[in-house]
Amino acid sequence: SQQGEEDPQALSIQEGENATMNCSYKTSINNLQWYRQNSGRGLVHLILIRSNEREKHSGRLRVTLDTSKKSSSLLITASRAADTASYFCATDAGRALTFGSGTRLQVQP
Amino acid sequence: DTGVSQDPRHKITKRGQNVTFRCDPISEHNRLYWYRQTLGQGPEFLTYFQNEAQLEKSRLLSDRFSAERPKGSFSTLEIQRTEQGDSAMYLCASSWKNTDEQYFGPGTRLTVT
Repeated sequence: SQQGEEDPQALSIQEGENATMNCSYKTSINNLQWYRQNSGRGLVHLILIRSNEREKHSGRLRVTLDTSKKSSSLLITASRAADTASYFCATDAGRALTFGSGTRLQVQP
Repeated sequence: DTGVSQDPRHKITKRGQNVTFRCDPISEHNRLYWYRQTLGQGPEFLTYFQNEAQLEKSRLLSDRFSAERPKGSFSTLEIQRTEQGDSAMYLCASSWKNTDEQYFGPGTRLTVT
């Protein structure tokens, strides 16, 4: 079963705009990770945030984590057409990852 | 290419046939994971190995599914007596024991007709 739920399920923006995706989960975690998947391809790891961290940056990516609300957000700034993909949050509770159902991001050039 | 590789990339089979998929992890990684992904959903955990030991299996892994990782290197996932509901993308990932990021292969897309 899927632990995380991403919101929105789909997002369409113009190139240069920011994209924000949210993830909620149900159980205690060690860390939360975000992955990107291009259509029909494998997943690519983007960023990991540990349970004792509140915010993390990597290039154009900013991730926040609120363990009290069991939620996380992924912000992609200055989006590009190449950012078009599905984005998944995945929680690590000490075993294999549990993925959400994903947000499909479409960046219009 | 030193990434995770999977073979075949696509497999079409008739219901009732057996299929076997192979995953070659990144060579220095000692953990190997199998996931299944259906259209529009996130990957769902099936099983994982640390070296050659299979440490955990999901309830999704019915008796028709078996996975091996002889010698702690490559892994195979076999599905016996395939059913149409087995149609999905089967993803393999690997990682170091002491790191959390998983590196995914391109997947094997199975279609059961």
